Amino acid sequence: NAGVTQTPKFQVLKTGQSMTLQCAQDMNHNSMYWYRQDPGMGLRLIYYSASEGTTDKGEVPNGYNVSRLNKREFSLRLESAAPSQTSVYFCASRPEGLTTGFDQPQHFGDGTRLSIL
Amino acid sequence: AQTVTQSQPEMSVQEAETVTLSCTYDTSESDYYLFWYKQPPSRQMILVIRQEAYKQQNATENRFSVNFQKAAKSFSLKISDSQLGDAAMYFCAYRSWLNNAGNMLTFGGGTRLMVKP
Repeated sequence: NAGVTQTPKFQVLKTGQSMTLQCAQDMNHNSMYWYRQDPGMGLRLIYYSASEGTTDKGEVPNGYNVSRLNKREFSLRLESAAPSQTSVYFCASRPEGLTTGFDQPQHFGDGTRLSIL
Repeated sequence: AQTVTQSQPEMSVQEAETVTLSCTYDTSESDYYLFWYKQPPSRQMILVIRQEAYKQQNATENRFSVNFQKAAKSFSLKISDSQLGDAAMYFCAYRSWLNNAGNMLTFGGGTRLMVKP
């Protein structure tokens, strides 16, 4: 099925370990996003990519890096995982990148549940 | 910066009844978009309904409708004829009309809706 695919779905890490979360979309969307969701809170934007080759910080970027490998793929890397990064991570994509006035919604993946001990 | 507030952490409704979920937001912008997303236990984020701020008419989508009060900065979701499948977390989200931060979404903290048979 077309959509946003995230891997892995679950992961447990030890403090200090590194990890890359993968995200791919097959809808030819320009914009891609990484969010984290913590209990009792809405999703918060970590990083986004308005188009291939560009990335920008969102609301909570500290401790993360991203790579927009090509138009389809947008990965999120934790270089040295910390317990505060225990969360559910969502990737999303959206058709328009730098165009105003369009209300196309974001399409979300199923999330990655990450626990850091 | 915009903020979105959902003051009801949990709501309960009897099957076939009507329930209203509240959302308020704070912004200095005059044009923007508002969304309601549903997140069932599967964690997938599903768009329920959207509203453009410049439209006075409230959006409707089958059993889902909104009460958009721009002056009061209020955007409530009404679910009519509630069904067991409506049980989920519901998130209210804001997006600026302008192309800032990649058209990022700002989410509220969510409301957990339980549907009683």
